[in-house]
Formats: sequence, structure tokens, C-alpha cells
Amino acid sequence: GQQVMQIPQYQHVQEGEDFTTYCNSSTTLSNIQWYKQRPGGHPVFLIQLVKSGEVKKQKRLTFQFGEAKKNSSLHITATQTTDVGTYFCAKGSGNTPLVFGKGTRLSVIA
Amino acid sequence: DVKVTQSSRYLVKRTGEKVFLECVQDMDHENMFWYRQDPGLGLRLIYFSYDVKMKEKGDIPEGYSVSREKKERFSLILESASTNQTSMYLCASSQARGAANTIYFGEGSWLTVV
Repeated sequence: GQQVMQIPQYQHVQEGEDFTTYCNSSTTLSNIQWYKQRPGGHPVFLIQLVKSGEVKKQKRLTFQFGEAKKNSSLHITATQTTDVGTYFCAKGSGNTPLVFGKGTRLSVIA
Repeated sequence: DVKVTQSSRYLVKRTGEKVFLECVQDMDHENMFWYRQDPGLGLRLIYFSYDVKMKEKGDIPEGYSVSREKKERFSLILESASTNQTSMYLCASSQARGAANTIYFGEGSWLTVV
């Protein structure tokens, strides 16, 4: 399947700093999903975006879907140590299985 | 809550052995998936199934096969394990066909082939 490009691959931040990961596709997406995997754990669904320009918030997490539905971002405000983990975006298209990005691994230094 | 259970959390197998990874979901989901996760490579789809006795190849099916004899169970088979199959394997399920459906993952099976 065609990959989604996710950047950066790694991010180290001081606790309290903001963090953003980006997901880009060369094709228009029907939807995008975001997952979080804690160290030693398995990916867990966070959110799905469907509409062009959509913005959704979950406490300190803000998710955006681009106007052209080709990119998405996840922004965390004032990171905490509980935010540590790998964040994956996954693109949806028709009836085919989700295609995952390679993930962004976030480290938070207390 | 959806529960996807993988039978083995950690396995060590010898090169050439036949390996079975079992996965069971308890939410009557139509779709089941096997992914492989390696550092820097993300999640790669090995096989998936949209129905009982049905299977489709994912992105990296070579060296693997699958079996889905019952709706709730999806098995991944390594016919002859090799060291390059050392990895974490994640089983997952979703309710119905369609990219808008959330995927629920099992806890993963760490396989080491020596």
C-alpha cells in the first residue's frame, strides 16, 4: 500500500514544551486516523478526521485535517511525561485496510 | 470494550521451525489483520481477512500464511521461521469493511528466531 509520510521520526522535548507531528499523503484521503503506542504497549485509537479542514481537540491534543485532505497534524500543548510514546497516523481509502505512517516517537524530558 | 487477545506474548523459536501465532477477538468483528512492527519501519500489513475462510495479502506476505476458520479467530503461520522474521507481531480487528472503521489491536507477540 502507498505509505503516508510522517515527520519527524523522533522528537525530544522538555516537559512543558509543545510538540507537533505531521502526516502527508500524495493522494486525497477519505479519512485519517491517529493512534498512540506507549512504550511496550500496542497502538490505541485516538481520533478520526473526515472533513476537509476539520479540527478536533482532546484536552491538550489538537488534531487537524488539511483543506485538501492530503495532510494532517497532531499538536500537543505543554507536553507531560504521560505523553511519551509513538504517534501514528493512518490513512483510509475506500474499502482497503488502513495504511500506517512510520510514526513519530516522542520523548519528554522531565 | 473490545478485546483482541494474542495467545503468546513472548516466543523464542529456532530457525526452520513452524510457528503459529493465534489471535482471538470477542466483539464479532468482520475484519481481522496481522501487522508486523519493526523499529523505523512502522506497522506493515502482512495479511488481512474480511470474512471467515477469506484472506488477502497485505504488503509483506512472503514467508507467512494465515488461517481464519472461525470468525473470531485469525492465525498467523510461519511455515519455516527465519531470523529475519524476528519482530513484534500485532493482531487487530475492526467492525466492518471500510477505511472509516477503527482498528483495535492486541497486545502484541514478540517473536525471536534464533
